[in-house]
Amino acid sequence: ETGVTQTPRHLVMGMTNKKSLKCEQHLGHNAMYWYKQSAKKPLELMFVYNFKEQTENNSVPSRFSPECPNSSHLFLHLHTLQPEDSALYLCASSQSTGTSGRAMVFGPGTRLTVL
Amino acid sequence: GQQLNQSPQSMFIQEGEDVSMNCTSSSIFNTWLWYKQDPGEGPVLLIALYKAGELTSNGRLTAQFGITRKDSFLNISASIPSDVGIYFCAGRYGGSQGNLIFGKGTKLSVKP
Repeated sequence: ETGVTQTPRHLVMGMTNKKSLKCEQHLGHNAMYWYKQSAKKPLELMFVYNFKEQTENNSVPSRFSPECPNSSHLFLHLHTLQPEDSALYLCASSQSTGTSGRAMVFGPGTRLTVL
Repeated sequence: GQQLNQSPQSMFIQEGEDVSMNCTSSSIFNTWLWYKQDPGEGPVLLIALYKAGELTSNGRLTAQFGITRKDSFLNISASIPSDVGIYFCAGRYGGSQGNLIFGKGTKLSVKP
């Protein structure tokens, strides 16, 4: 238990479905991140939020829509996904986006399969 | 773009053996991080390195920040079965936590 929880842990969806991934951190951090982990590829940063404001969007397709209602919660809304979007989606948090604090802490991930 | 070359891709060793893996890049980094990921879990930070030449230990793990700032290695001594997993290096290149480049990972298997 790292202090970052993600639900659901597994999700299977069709290309026309709409679903949401949820992340919650209990560490008092102010920055939260979404990463995509595909087989045989490095982790890819998708979005960064600092104090609820989006500070980074790494050219992610609009079928992925993040939402950060407060510093403890982060969502990733999914719609009209493609099979190549199947991956492990990891949430992470850190004290801030600055580097003076400890490194980010990852959640356990949501294994997404798009049929 | 920036890339990290992590090697080896996989290792299959006997319990009790020492393990060594490394990451290299053509780019300079200001921080090196080593993570371990168990099946079905997210990466967990093992060691963080913040200065060129720094050598840091965490139990049986030892990691070094290369003097050129372009490489780092991780050693595991006297491996045990619970060392099984995927080890990732990550290099930070800027002033933000998100400025991280990850390696593709080294998959470690340990035979009892």
